[in-house]
Amino acid sequence: DQQVKQNSPSLSVQEGRISILNCDYTNSMFDYFLWYKKYPAEGPTFLISISSIKDKNEDGRFTVFLNKSAKHLSLHIVPSQPGDSAVYFCAASYYNDYKLSFGAGTTVTVRA
Amino acid sequence: DADVTQTPRNRITKTGKRIMLECSQTKGHDRMYWYRQDPGLGLRLIYYSFDVKDINKGEISDGYSVSRQAQAKFSLSLESAIPNQTALYFCATSPGQGASGYTFGSGTRLTVV
Repeated sequence: DQQVKQNSPSLSVQEGRISILNCDYTNSMFDYFLWYKKYPAEGPTFLISISSIKDKNEDGRFTVFLNKSAKHLSLHIVPSQPGDSAVYFCAASYYNDYKLSFGAGTTVTVRA
Repeated sequence: DADVTQTPRNRITKTGKRIMLECSQTKGHDRMYWYRQDPGLGLRLIYYSFDVKDINKGEISDGYSVSRQAQAKFSLSLESAIPNQTALYFCATSPGQGASGYTFGSGTRLTVV
């Protein structure tokens, strides 16, 4: 049973607009969350992370929000650019366990 | 050269054949992982190793085995390949102190016919 769920397999957004990707988790032991980005024919690359002691982390155009009570996190990309078209994976781990559990991924397409 | 190199990049094999996927890294990390990616399922952990003498099963290890030949090398074997092992396989490494340090290889696309 998947402990990290991304229920939207795809998202299409116009260039310059906001992209919002959602992720839910079931394991209450998770305390560290990450987003990875993957282009075709490449491996996933780390994008941004957040610890459970925070509810927001920002890095340039990318912001991750964490709602622990709802076991929900989201990734906001503002503004969206054509180079953001990729598959985005949500991942989670817990203290002293460095294995990552991944969601199924969301394919983002940014339209010109 | 890439930090994490996987070979081969693509492979087609027949049912019942033994196949090995290789991974080498230049990051100097102790921890190495094998994941497989399937549509709609994301990345699932097959095996992981926290040092040369440490090998652990992940969530989907049945039908697979691994070998950690050195700190830099971690190989995945399919003892007798079956069609539902057709997938994209990723090797990854991380330093000991944090999960954010995962570095992935470019993947091996394996097709079992």
